[in-house]
Amino acid sequence: GAVVSQHPSRVICKSGTSVKIECRSLDFQATTMFWYRQFPKQSLMLMATSNEGSKATYEQGVEKDKFLINHASLTLSTLTVTSAHPEDSSFYICSALAVEGADGELFFGEGSRLTVL
Amino acid sequence: AQRVTQPEKLLSVFKGAPVELKCNYSYSGSPELFWYVQYSRQRLQLLLRHISRESIKGFTADLNKGETSFHLKKPFAQEEDSAMYYCASNSGGYQKVTFGTGTKLQVIP
Repeated sequence: GAVVSQHPSRVICKSGTSVKIECRSLDFQATTMFWYRQFPKQSLMLMATSNEGSKATYEQGVEKDKFLINHASLTLSTLTVTSAHPEDSSFYICSALAVEGADGELFFGEGSRLTVL
Repeated sequence: AQRVTQPEKLLSVFKGAPVELKCNYSYSGSPELFWYVQYSRQRLQLLLRHISRESIKGFTADLNKGETSFHLKKPFAQEEDSAMYYCASNSGGYQKVTFGTGTKLQVIP
């Protein structure tokens, strides 16, 4: 199946700094990507929908100035956690929508664990 | 708004025993239902979707609109089935998926 890669898989940063997480579709083009957040032993919470060439659509309660999403190409979306604080520590997962030949199937990245000290 | 409920956080069964992971959804339209699986240290991946009506790794799931359920079943559990299972739904057409809280399946040898 299609492959989605996230980088970095783990990142530790100091409070107040910004962290960028990349999500790439390796062998297909994805006009739509999704960013989720997963707390320990909880489900995936959709944060935003990232559309290539346009602004992301954020879910209710997600601060768009805090979580900057850029989808500049058909294979890359980035999530930047700005001025990170310890409460932003979480597991962030992206998924990409593959439309051709897969009838709209979602493929997931391996996730990125962010720890803010 | 869509809502997906998985009442069991943990389900432990012995190898060879039948498995049923429960899932209920709330959506008045015609949702598309999925089961995703996450094996230890691996990424989330699609297990099956109701429109495919297929059996994957021995698992099946039938959409029951009357009961708004999409329970995942397997007649004989295997050790390699141990994983986190997430039920999910979308409102059709647009792939904005809502996930349940997940059920950890533990198959005891």
